[in-house]
Amino acid sequence: DTGVSQDPRHKITKRGQNVTFRCDPISEHNRLYWYRQTLGQGPEFLTYFQNEAQLEKSRLLSDRFSAERPKGSFSTLEIQRTEQGDSAMYLCASSLIRDIHTDTQYFGPGTRLTVL
Amino acid sequence: QQQVKQSPQSLIVQKGGISIINCAYENTAFDYFPWYQQFPGKGPALLIAIRPDVSEKKEGRFTISFNKSAKQFSLHIMDSQPGDSATYFCAAKAGGFKTIFGAGTRLFVKA
Repeated sequence: DTGVSQDPRHKITKRGQNVTFRCDPISEHNRLYWYRQTLGQGPEFLTYFQNEAQLEKSRLLSDRFSAERPKGSFSTLEIQRTEQGDSAMYLCASSLIRDIHTDTQYFGPGTRLTVL
Repeated sequence: QQQVKQSPQSLIVQKGGISIINCAYENTAFDYFPWYQQFPGKGPALLIAIRPDVSEKKEGRFTISFNKSAKQFSLHIMDSQPGDSATYFCAAKAGGFKTIFGAGTRLFVKA
């Protein structure tokens, strides 16, 4: 399967614990995005990378959240000191930008986080 | 100004009917308007997209109508099928900036 993969698919953790999610984009895609999706809502932008550079972070991304994309390949999203409000689906998407006015993003299946 | 407002929240259509989902935006800098389809347990998948220099784009049973002056665009699904039952998201993007998604429409097509 050459699509976007995410690991784990599900994560249950206790409040206060740290969690880390991984995203493997489609090979050669230069952009990688992280979104958060809660029930009944559309994906909310968190951050994105162009190659290894993190170009934009949402104000939703508190200092408990950090994302990396070493070497411009896979990416990790870490949430420190999780809170119940962090419970959501975390989606990763990748795209190959040739034209900034179009951006076909390919989404992974998501990681569902439940904070108890 | 960054919002994309989507309606209705949910929609029930008979098999063979036309499903229509509407979106409105305020930011005139938006220049790319994709629609995504999401099935339960899956990530969204791009369905069809339009640039504001055209008023309509059709791909198979899916058509986007775009009204630049009204700042509205809509998705029409012709001959709706039970397999089209999913959540649909409109979205908008401006240049090199992030994509803003609508809240979604849950479509159910009755057999």
